[in-house]
Amino acid sequence: DTEVTQTPKHLVMGMTNKKSLKCEQHMGHRAMYWYKQKAKKPPELMFVYSYEKLSINESVPSRFSPECPNSSLLNLHLHALQPEDSALYLCASSQPTRGSSYEQYFGPGTRLTVT
Amino acid sequence: LAKTTQPISMDSYEGQEVNITCSHNNIATNDYITWYQQFPSQGPRFIIQGYKTKVTNEVASLFIPADRKSSTLSLPRVSLSDTAVYYCLVGDIFYKLSFGAGTTVTVRA
Repeated sequence: DTEVTQTPKHLVMGMTNKKSLKCEQHMGHRAMYWYKQKAKKPPELMFVYSYEKLSINESVPSRFSPECPNSSLLNLHLHALQPEDSALYLCASSQPTRGSSYEQYFGPGTRLTVT
Repeated sequence: LAKTTQPISMDSYEGQEVNITCSHNNIATNDYITWYQQFPSQGPRFIIQGYKTKVTNEVASLFIPADRKSSTLSLPRVSLSDTAVYYCLVGDIFYKLSFGAGTTVTVRA
């Protein structure tokens, strides 16, 4: 199984809502990632978890809160978002070794719209 | 992070070979060169990775000259379904993929 699944596929939320994005993989990967991608732009790294511990936070605003409950699951909790946070949110996973960490498996993404 | 430069777009026809060259003049000794493909509204897909010389898999070939300051992704006999954005990445910091602008490849019938 080389699949990374993400739910929901689409999400529309108001600026005062609280919602969560979910990502799951069963490849035994111990590194998991959140990326944000705006239309016609490349993906931008947000967070990296390695062995269920947060290892990289790319200065992401606190209205985005990641969580890694176990080695297969990654969540992104959203609260008080702004319209400019509307984007495709991508989850990825990889083996946590130097060369292998660049071979990342991406999910299909969650299309988020903040109204 | 080593900066990469690749063409913004390329056009091709079905059955042709497409070669995309990426420049990375500041590549460091430990850096890997990795290529990804992305279709609209989908996550990027890993294509190939190399360190030096030539790497080939069932999808593509990656040519890396001895000085490693550039690399060329070769897609043999493209089809319409190969229309996508192709990203060249040079790994510098553990875990960090820094995507550049990418090359939009359009394959026509």
